[in-house]
Amino acid sequence: DARVTQTPRHKVTEMGQEVTMRCQPILGHNTVFWYRQTMMQGLELLAYFRNRAPLDDSGMPKDRFSAEMPDATLATLKIQPSEPRDSAVYFCASGLVLPNTEAFFGQGTRLTVV
Amino acid sequence: AQTVTQSQPEMSVQEAETVTLSCTYDTSESDYYLFWYKQPPSRQMILVIRQEAYKQQNATENRFSVNFQKAAKSFSLKISDSQLGDAAMYFCAYRVRGNTPLVFGKGTRLSVIA
Repeated sequence: DARVTQTPRHKVTEMGQEVTMRCQPILGHNTVFWYRQTMMQGLELLAYFRNRAPLDDSGMPKDRFSAEMPDATLATLKIQPSEPRDSAVYFCASGLVLPNTEAFFGQGTRLTVV
Repeated sequence: AQTVTQSQPEMSVQEAETVTLSCTYDTSESDYYLFWYKQPPSRQMILVIRQEAYKQQNATENRFSVNFQKAAKSFSLKISDSQLGDAAMYFCAYRVRGNTPLVFGKGTRLSVIA
């Protein structure tokens, strides 16, 4: 049963701490997306990768956020230092570069920064 | 920039009845894809239905169908024979070809009344 796996599912941290969220895309998928979901902004793209190379990270606050793909089986999203306004659900999705395909979503990481 | 608008923040429907969720979008592209995603309380993003812009025929998936009006840039979702399990947030989304990032609407919360 192929699925996108995100860890942790929930994270509570104090303001100023570093947070790392991990994503294991579906094996063979070459495109990975990071989205953030908040009540106010809805679902917005933070960054995405193709063949492990970043294609667009314009949605990400550069001073505190960073996204990487150390290898094809792992994508990471880091926040340092975290702030209360970063509280949100962070989704990872993966897919293939084919015209008629969809992106598959992980179950998300709910981050609370207190 | 592409935008997706869902004008109904909340909707309700009686069990076994039919409900239609509205979505409009703005794009200058001619080749694109439209999606409806369901997000139940588990927060998993589940693809409900997909429409290719080059296809004139409206997509259907069991009890779910769309009314795609390309000239009007409208993409509504019809749920027939509503079931309690259909209660969720529904997001309309758009992307161009090649598994590029999705642009989401703000969502419509659907309640199903027994």
